[in-house]
Amino acid sequence: KQEVTQIPAALSVPEGENLVLNCSFTDSAIYNLQWFRQDPGKGLTSLLLIQSSQREQTSGRLNASLDKSSGRSTLYIAASQPGDSATYLCALNTGGGADGLTFGKGTHLIIQP
Amino acid sequence: EPEVTQTPSHQVTQMGQEVILRCVPISNHLYFYWYRQILGQKVEFLVSFYNNEISEKSEIFDDQFSVERPDGSNFTLKIRSTKLEDSAMYFCASSDWVSGNTIYFGEGSWLTVV
Repeated sequence: KQEVTQIPAALSVPEGENLVLNCSFTDSAIYNLQWFRQDPGKGLTSLLLIQSSQREQTSGRLNASLDKSSGRSTLYIAASQPGDSATYLCALNTGGGADGLTFGKGTHLIIQP
Repeated sequence: EPEVTQTPSHQVTQMGQEVILRCVPISNHLYFYWYRQILGQKVEFLVSFYNNEISEKSEIFDDQFSVERPDGSNFTLKIRSTKLEDSAMYFCASSDWVSGNTIYFGEGSWLTVV
C-alpha cells in the first residue's frame, strides 16, 4: 500500500527566502505526482503535475522535482511571499485516470512579512 | 478558467439522516471523483466514476455511499444514515485525462453530523 510522507509538517520563514518542501513515497510504481495548495477551509488548487517519465516541472516561482528511484519529490518555492502561506499537499497517482490519488498530510507553510 | 463547483458549501444534518452532495464537474472532463478530508487528517479517495459507472472505490466507500450522474452536468454523492464520523469536508474533482490527468478539485462541501 502506497504511503506518502511530507516533511516538515509545518514551516515558518521570513518573506523572501527560498524554501524546499519534501515528499516521500514508499512505492515507486507511480503514474504521476501532483502538488496542491490548500488554503484554510478551501479546496485544493493544483500547482504542478509531474509525469512518471519526467524529472521536474516549473511554474513561475515553483519548481517540483521527482526522483522515483529514491521515492522522493521536492517542491521548491523561490523568493517566498506572504501570499504563499498555505498548506501544500503532495499526491500520487499509481494507476491512471480511474485510480484515486494518495495524499500526504501536507506541510503547513507560513511566510512572515 | 473552468472550475468544479459544489453545493452546498456547508450542511448540518441529524445523525441517521440522508444527505446528497452535489457537484458540477468541468464540462469536457471524463473522470469524476469524490474525496473526503476529516478535520486534521489526510485527504482520502472515496470513488472514481467514468462512462456512467464506478471505476474504482476505496474501502471507505461502502454501502452507505452511492454516486450518480443524474444528467449531463451534475455528479452527486449520497450518504445514507449518516453517522457522527461522517463529519468531514467532501471534495468533488474531475479530470480530462488528456492533460496527463491533472485533477481539478472543487471548493468542498463541509458536512457536520450532529
